[in-house]
This record gives sequence, C-alpha cells and structure tokens, in this order.
Amino acid sequence: AQSVTQPDIHITVSEGASLELRCNYSYGATPYLFWYVQSPGQGLQLLLKYFSGDTLVQGIKGFEAEFKRSQSSFNLRKPSVHWSDAAEYFCAVGAGDDKIIFGKGTRLHILP
Amino acid sequence: NAGVTQTPKFRILKIGQSMTLQCTQDMNHNYMYWYRQDPGMGLKLIYYSVGAGITDKGEVPNGYNVSRSTTEDFPLRLELAAPSQTSVYFCASSPEVTDTQYFGPGTRLTVL
Repeated sequence: AQSVTQPDIHITVSEGASLELRCNYSYGATPYLFWYVQSPGQGLQLLLKYFSGDTLVQGIKGFEAEFKRSQSSFNLRKPSVHWSDAAEYFCAVGAGDDKIIFGKGTRLHILP
Repeated sequence: NAGVTQTPKFRILKIGQSMTLQCTQDMNHNYMYWYRQDPGMGLKLIYYSVGAGITDKGEVPNGYNVSRSTTEDFPLRLELAAPSQTSVYFCASSPEVTDTQYFGPGTRLTVL
C-alpha cells in the first residue's frame, strides 16, 4: 500500500524568503501526487498535481513541485512567500487503487 | 454550481447516539470520499466510492458505514457514537482518481 511522509510538522519563514516543504512517498511504481493547502477553518484546495510527463509542475499561487523518482520525493517550493501563504499544506499520493492517502501536513508560519 | 455541500456544520452527540452526515455534489463526479481530520494527524480516509452502488473501505472505516444510491449523494453513518469519533469530517469528490478533489466545508462533530 502507498504511504506518504511529511517530515516537518511546522516550518517558519520570513515574508519574502524562499520556501521548500518536503514530501516523501512509498510506492513501487509511479504514483500520482498532489499538494493541497488548507487555510484556517476551510476545506482543502488543490495547489498542483503530477501523474506523468514533465517532472517539474507549476501550480497556483506561484507554487511549483518537482517529482524525483530516485529520491521518492515531491517537494513543494515557492521563491518568495507572502503573509497570505500561512496555512497548512498536505501532500497526497495515489497508487492506482482509487484511494488517495494524505500526509499529516506541514503548518507554515510567516514572520513579518 | 454549489460544488460539495455538507450538513450539518456542527453537531454534538452523546455516547451511543447515531447520526448521518450528509454530503451532496452537483458536479456529476464519479468518485466521492469521506475523510476525518484530527489535529496533527492529517486526513484519514474513512470510505470512498467510485460510482453509484460501489463503496469501499479506506484507512479507518471502523464505526462508520456509507451508501451511494445516487451519483450526487454519499452519506456517512455513525451507528454508536464514541468519543474517539470526535473530529472534523470532510467529504470530497472528483471526476477521476487522478483529478482534483473538491472538498466540502466540513462537519465538526463532538461526542461527549
């Protein structure tokens, strides 16, 4: 069965700094991968997804992620964060069995 | 389109009571999912459905039941509420498993 790990529970960055959120998955073949964002008291919104093709994926709100098969990773990046990016971020993986499994999330804090 | 709607928004149950969480989508999506979200634990898949009449267990199905008699509706039933079922419940839908999941606003359930 597939699994996903987000090693960082909390991350704090200064406004304007770059950001990288880590995601590692476990699955034998090529999974399909997602990043979602959840603002306080809200449901989840898709930032980007990957299931084939170019391993560098562009998403909404200036986010991008890179699929690295050799490292079983799908890290999320943003070159310059804004205070409005403060939220919880979830990596999710699907593996061909109709289920999507979510990681435990990384809460992003932004320093002014 | 209303998207994914969930009712109720909040509910307090006593131990041993039963209730149904309602979920309706108006996007004609085949796939529907129920998740629970607990602090620091991310989203755990309870049940999912790939179409009307077809349901399957997720990661944490014990204590819950579902049905899918129509494409639009995917109710989640709690038969004998327990304090461990205190959580925020999200319903989601997608056209295919590789597509974006659209989330409802959530139901906050407390069992006392």
